[in-house]
Amino acid sequence: AQSVTQPDIHITVSEGASLELRCNYSYGATPYLFWYVQSPGQGLQLLLKYFSGDTLVQGIKGFEAEFKRSQSSFNLRKPSVHWSDAAEYFCAVGAGDYKLSFGAGTTVTVRA
Amino acid sequence: GAVVSQHPSRVICKSGTSVKIECRSLDFQATTMFWYRQFPKQSLMLMATSNEGSKATYEQGVEKDKFLINHASLTLSTLTVTSAHPEDSSFYICSARSVSGGALTDTQYFGPGTRLTVL
Repeated sequence: AQSVTQPDIHITVSEGASLELRCNYSYGATPYLFWYVQSPGQGLQLLLKYFSGDTLVQGIKGFEAEFKRSQSSFNLRKPSVHWSDAAEYFCAVGAGDYKLSFGAGTTVTVRA
Repeated sequence: GAVVSQHPSRVICKSGTSVKIECRSLDFQATTMFWYRQFPKQSLMLMATSNEGSKATYEQGVEKDKFLINHASLTLSTLTVTSAHPEDSSFYICSARSVSGGALTDTQYFGPGTRLTVL
């Protein structure tokens, strides 16, 4: 069975600074990897996904993620954070049955 | 595109009553929908997979008689929490699988969630 670890529970970053959220996965085959963002009381919005091909994936809102098979990682990055990026971020891994396993999430706080 | 709605967004009910939550894919057909439960400050836990025209598949530990799922059409799935109790209070989120081009590119689109409070 697949699993996801997000080592950072909470990250605080200054507006305009860069952001990196860590994600490590465990899965026996080639994983399907996703990053979702959740604003308070809201559902999840897909930021980006990786299925195959280029290991650097571009997403919405200026986010990107890099798949590193050797490290079993799929870290999310943004060069310059905006106050509106404050939210909960979830990494997820999917299997062939389309079920998703989510990490515990990382809360991002943006300070002025 | 790929919008999923849920209704109601919030519901408060008395212990022992049943509550129905609807999940609709508004601009695409969803042969598969998923139901998740999220506790405060925690991740999403998959409860069940709902396939149109067939019985739902429940994850281990989820009571199928308590959480009734019906996927009556390609755009609608419902979750009914029967005889609700305070411990059922949670944030319930559905997702719908959109086939964008071959099985390997499926993406799940999530609804905004339903906050259930059982008194």
